[in-house]
Amino acid sequence: QSALTQEASVSGTVGQKVTLSCTGDSNNIGSYAVGWYQQISHGAPKTVMFGNSLPSGIPDRFSGSKSGTTASLTISGLQPEDEADYYCSTWDYSISARVFGGGTKLTVL
Amino acid sequence: QVQLQESGPGLVKPSQTLSLTCTVSGGSISSGSDYWSWIRQPAGKGLEWIGRINTFWSTNYNPSLKSRVAISIDTSKNQFFLKLNSVTAADTAVYYCARDSVVDGYLFFDSWGQGALVTVSS
Repeated sequence: QSALTQEASVSGTVGQKVTLSCTGDSNNIGSYAVGWYQQISHGAPKTVMFGNSLPSGIPDRFSGSKSGTTASLTISGLQPEDEADYYCSTWDYSISARVFGGGTKLTVL
Repeated sequence: QVQLQESGPGLVKPSQTLSLTCTVSGGSISSGSDYWSWIRQPAGKGLEWIGRINTFWSTNYNPSLKSRVAISIDTSKNQFFLKLNSVTAADTAVYYCARDSVVDGYLFFDSWGQGALVTVSS
């Protein structure tokens, strides 16, 4: 069982806005920023969000936020190429280890 | 942009030791603020963090794997290494190496290797 909880699946149509969530506790998300990682067709993960900052080359339709112990990744103007698995990750100081969410499968209808 | 590449045997026998190398190019592994991590993913499952090391040999490990894992680093070769002993079929996975870099005061994975499939089987 993952330390961080994500929706198993989310779907949206092209152009729609979708939000993926990642819920933890005070030991992890409540204390540290959350990274978001995109994995297309089980290829190598790609970083799409550093907390609420965009990595170079990532479209600005991606945005990140956090409130308390829940982080969110929002994609505004969903595109077919956004269909992928998305994982959140942060540090957990209670176990001095990185933790991942179980991943959300995003389907673009 | 730093690039990472995993290498090592694709097949390991049960009870033996899995050994992988991550070679870093396009940047120095000796950056004091970076950590270098190993992550794995069994087929059809999610990502699991194995552990990390920095240039000062400071390490952290996943508590569930800590008794079987050792991560080391060779700054002269710009490489870091994973050893996982007493492997079973449950250790069959794609193994990724990644750089954990400081952004806005926090550490994030910002560069990933392509992954190496390791199968544990006799």
